Order: sequence, then structure tokens, then C-alpha cells
Amino acid sequence: QQPVQSPQAVILREGEDAVINCSSSKALYSVHWYRQKHGEAPVFLMILLKGGEQKGHEKISASFNEKKQQSSLYLTASQLSYSGTYFCGTEIGGGNDMRFGAGTRLTVKP
Amino acid sequence: DAGITQSPRHKVTETGTPVTLRCHQTENHRYMYWYRQDPGHGLRLIHYSYGVKDTDKGEVSDGYSVSRSKTEDFLLTLESATSSQTSVYFCATRGPGELFFGEGSRLTVL
Repeated sequence: QQPVQSPQAVILREGEDAVINCSSSKALYSVHWYRQKHGEAPVFLMILLKGGEQKGHEKISASFNEKKQQSSLYLTASQLSYSGTYFCGTEIGGGNDMRFGAGTRLTVKP
Repeated sequence: DAGITQSPRHKVTETGTPVTLRCHQTENHRYMYWYRQDPGHGLRLIHYSYGVKDTDKGEVSDGYSVSRSKTEDFLLTLESATSSQTSVYFCATRGPGELFFGEGSRLTVL
């Protein structure tokens, strides 16, 4: 029941945009996004609930298409600090067992 | 930050020995989780708890057991450690929305 993330890795130059996708074969109750820096714990970015509500965090935003069981994370005008591994986490039916994807490694270069 | 402490932070043990990892929280959060993180697999749910003495299995629970006798403590036990259980283990608690992660425990089974 792990969600599927794509791409596995992406390399950007500062100022470029990126999209990370997350999909599930099950109907989703919510989608979470986290970022993990090397050697550190994952840190929460945002949560999206059923209804397609889009939430933003500075220059990072996300969408949730509950019909397709998909979510996308949008990083605009990327900064060096955006580098890290991004994980989507999904809940099915409000069961509170949070499952994560395999992650997308994002590298932003000067 | 949620007060989550994992111990030990690093451990090297031999195949066949029992190992217990401890997660302690000071936020009185109801839900607690144990994940393992391995390259290429992201974060995989081992077990989670939705209250004192209430636990459930995740996607990779074989070889692991958990206990929660107090709200603040969630223990993960490897009854007989194997080399395949070499990993970084993260504990997390669930706040009003998001998960808060501990700093991780690196376990090496020789």
C-alpha cells in the first residue's frame, strides 16, 4: 500500500521549477508531504485533505486530486535550501496508519 | 518541535541477540509510529499505536514487536536480530495534523 512517487531523482539549477508526483491505488483520506535533509529526520511541509484543497508553504505548493488518488508537489523558483529527499505520506480511510513513498531526491545546484 | 527522544541513537549488535529501541515523547500525543528507512525503500511502517496497549501492524512487521504501557513510551523489540534488520529506525508521533519524527536510531546487525 505504499504510494508511488515520481521521479526518483531530479537535479535543478537555482531558480528552476520542479514537480513531484505521488499516486495511490487506494482511495485516499489525506496526503502529507515531508522533506528530509541528509542525516536528519523528515520535517513536515503540508497536508492535503479530501476535496482537492491546495495548500501552500512559501514557494512550495501542492494539489490533491482525490478522484485519481494523486497529489503533486510544486516547487517554484527553487533555492539551494530546497535540496533534500521529499516523501509523500498517505492515509487510507482515516485509519491513521501513514504510509510513505520511496522518496524523490531533489538536488538544487548554483 | 515535539519532544521526541529515541534511544539508543546508535547500536551495533550481533545476529540472534534481542534489541529494544525506545521512543519517548513529552507531547501527550495519542498516535505513535515506528518506521524503518532503507535506501530505495523510503520510510516503511513497522507498527503503530493508537493508545496505551493499542497497537497494530504496519507493512513490514515480521520480526518486530511493540509495546506501549504508557502514553509517553513506545518500545520496538527485535526478538532475535538479523542482518536484514540493519537500518535506521524512526519513531514519530501524530500531532493535530502532521507527524513529528525523532532523530532516528541507527542499528547495525553483524
